[in-house]
Amino acid sequence: SQQGEEDPQALSIQEGENATMNCSYKTSINNLQWYRQNSGRGLVHLILIRSNEREKHSGRLRVTLDTSKKSSSLLITASRAADTASYFCATPSSNTGKLIFGQGTTLQVKP
Amino acid sequence: ETGVTQSPTHLIKTRGQQVTLRCSSQSGHNTVSWYQQALGQGPQFIFQYYREEENGRGNFPPRFSGLQFPNYSSELNVNALELDDSALYLCASSLGERGYYNEQFFGPGTRLTVL
Repeated sequence: SQQGEEDPQALSIQEGENATMNCSYKTSINNLQWYRQNSGRGLVHLILIRSNEREKHSGRLRVTLDTSKKSSSLLITASRAADTASYFCATPSSNTGKLIFGQGTTLQVKP
Repeated sequence: ETGVTQSPTHLIKTRGQQVTLRCSSQSGHNTVSWYQQALGQGPQFIFQYYREEENGRGNFPPRFSGLQFPNYSSELNVNALELDDSALYLCASSLGERGYYNEQFFGPGTRLTVL
């Protein structure tokens, strides 16, 4: 079963624009993680935000977490063609050692 | 620092056969997790190993089994392959028993096709 649900499923923007992806989850969490995947390859960890944090930055990435709404957003500023990828949010299960992923947002950045 | 590696990159099998996929953890990591990713879907957790013991299992049948070795490398074995087993298999390593509370480092994956 999917814990996280990303929105939108697909996003197409021009280089230089900002991209915002949203993630909703169902149960209480210890942290929420965002990953990027290029063309069906391995996932690259982008950022981890803990349940007691509201906002976190890493370079051009900004992640927010609203535990009252069980939602998170990933903002990529000044996007580049190299940002074209699928982006997944993932939350850890409290008792089985697994990360539960959403279905992802496919981002296309046009040069 | 050595990243997570997986072998082989691609594999084609026929229904009913058995397959073994391999993973080498990132240096210093003692927890390995395996995920199955069908086309257009997010990764689904198969199981996790910590210090050679299974430490959690997802909703996969017993024909999916694994091993972790003393050097923390790992194998995923799938018996009696079915067409629906065609997917990208991802290995991820992390540090600590509750590795899921920390970031996981993924390998490039093995693309399995079952004909």
